[in-house]
Amino acid sequence: AQSVAQPEDQVNVAEGNPLTVKCTYSVSGNPYLFWYVQYPNRGLQFLLKYITGDNLVKGSYGFEAEFNKSQTSFHLKKPSALVSDSALYFCAVSISGGYQKVTFGTGTKLQVIP
Amino acid sequence: DGGITQSPKYLFRKEGQNVTLSCEQNLNHDAMYWYRQDPGQGLRLIYYSQIVNDFQKGDIAEGYSVSREKKESFPLTVTSAQKNPTAFYLCASSMDYGTGDGYTFGSGTRLTVV
Repeated sequence: AQSVAQPEDQVNVAEGNPLTVKCTYSVSGNPYLFWYVQYPNRGLQFLLKYITGDNLVKGSYGFEAEFNKSQTSFHLKKPSALVSDSALYFCAVSISGGYQKVTFGTGTKLQVIP
Repeated sequence: DGGITQSPKYLFRKEGQNVTLSCEQNLNHDAMYWYRQDPGQGLRLIYYSQIVNDFQKGDIAEGYSVSREKKESFPLTVTSAQKNPTAFYLCASSMDYGTGDGYTFGSGTRLTVV
């Protein structure tokens, strides 16, 4: 069975500081990894994904994520946080090869403090 | 613009009623999904459809039903058998099922039992 863990329910960071939202995963096989963002009362928006290749993936709005196979992690990062980045962030995982479902984490609320 | 439209945005259901949530996409995506979102539990898969006239149960299908008669449409019916239907419901689509494509989400329907 595949799973994804987001160990922090909430992350607080000052505006202008770097931010990290953590994600670890467990799969049998090669993972596909995703990050999504959700603003209040809205659907999720796709930020970035890792399929294969370069371990550092760049996505929308200046976000990036680093795939670390040995630590089974896919942490989301941004060099300088904006107040408008405040939202709920979801990590998701599936497995390469054929039809595989996507499993979402429980979400991490990011609060950027002015 | 291409996207997914969910309606209504807010829905109130009386005890014992069936209600249907609409989901329409104009992205020409083959796969569509319904998720339920509850605070602190992330997204849980209700049903998914890989192609027209075919759908599969997800992790929490009991008390729900779907149809996929057209590629563009994937309505979800919440039946009276669903004992705790109050939640935020999200519809999503992807080009194919489980091949690493990111999902496109609708804006959600908030269902409340009154």
